[in-house]
Amino acid sequence: NAGVTQTPKFRVLKTGQSMTLLCAQDMNHEYMYWYRQDPGMGLRLIHYSVGEGTTAKGEVPDGYNVSRLKKQNFLLGLESAAPSQTSVYFCASSSDRELYSNQPQHFGDGTRLSIL
Amino acid sequence: AQTVTQSQPEMSVQEAETVTLSCTYDTSENNYYLFWYKQPPSRQMILVIRQEAYKQQNATENRFSVNFQKAAKSFSLKISDSQLGDTAMYFCAFMKLTDTGNQFYFGTGTSLTVIP
Repeated sequence: NAGVTQTPKFRVLKTGQSMTLLCAQDMNHEYMYWYRQDPGMGLRLIHYSVGEGTTAKGEVPDGYNVSRLKKQNFLLGLESAAPSQTSVYFCASSSDRELYSNQPQHFGDGTRLSIL
Repeated sequence: AQTVTQSQPEMSVQEAETVTLSCTYDTSENNYYLFWYKQPPSRQMILVIRQEAYKQQNATENRFSVNFQKAAKSFSLKISDSQLGDTAMYFCAFMKLTDTGNQFYFGTGTSLTVIP
């Protein structure tokens, strides 16, 4: 049981390049989230998904797209990377049945993305 | 919209002493959950303690306890007998349940340093 796995763990991009961050969970969770973490800003929700084939905008969605074609995967895409998107990105998943568990939201280990 | 405010960007405490981290939130919801997460330098997000809004009794987990004041929308974390391993970033989080999934909101974090 790997939990939430993010790939890659580190990446450096040039301005204007595109890339996709992959999040995979093996817990059959309904909900998946993408956050970005910046100094002094905490975790801010980019996009989230409440089920396969559905996505919704979070607090800071501009410049990002997401897809959830399979329940276990949640992809975050940057079509044209900008320096302002330099951040640490966290994926998380949750489930109603684990609401009262010790881990209501499971996090990946984060992806450090630098845009030059 | 929900907001979570942590007004203490940095705090320090002597080993074995007690420290309190503050958190306030703003919401019109009546049923919600509150959490404190710990993020050590490894970047992992670790759940420290949780509180259901409908419970009047303050949650406790070993050396960690909360002071939940629902009317004041305050949710502070008290760490007793501080240990060097408590050094980390601490995030207060609010979760509401909606028909479209559970949504989490995070504060900006408090960086805690335990001094030997």
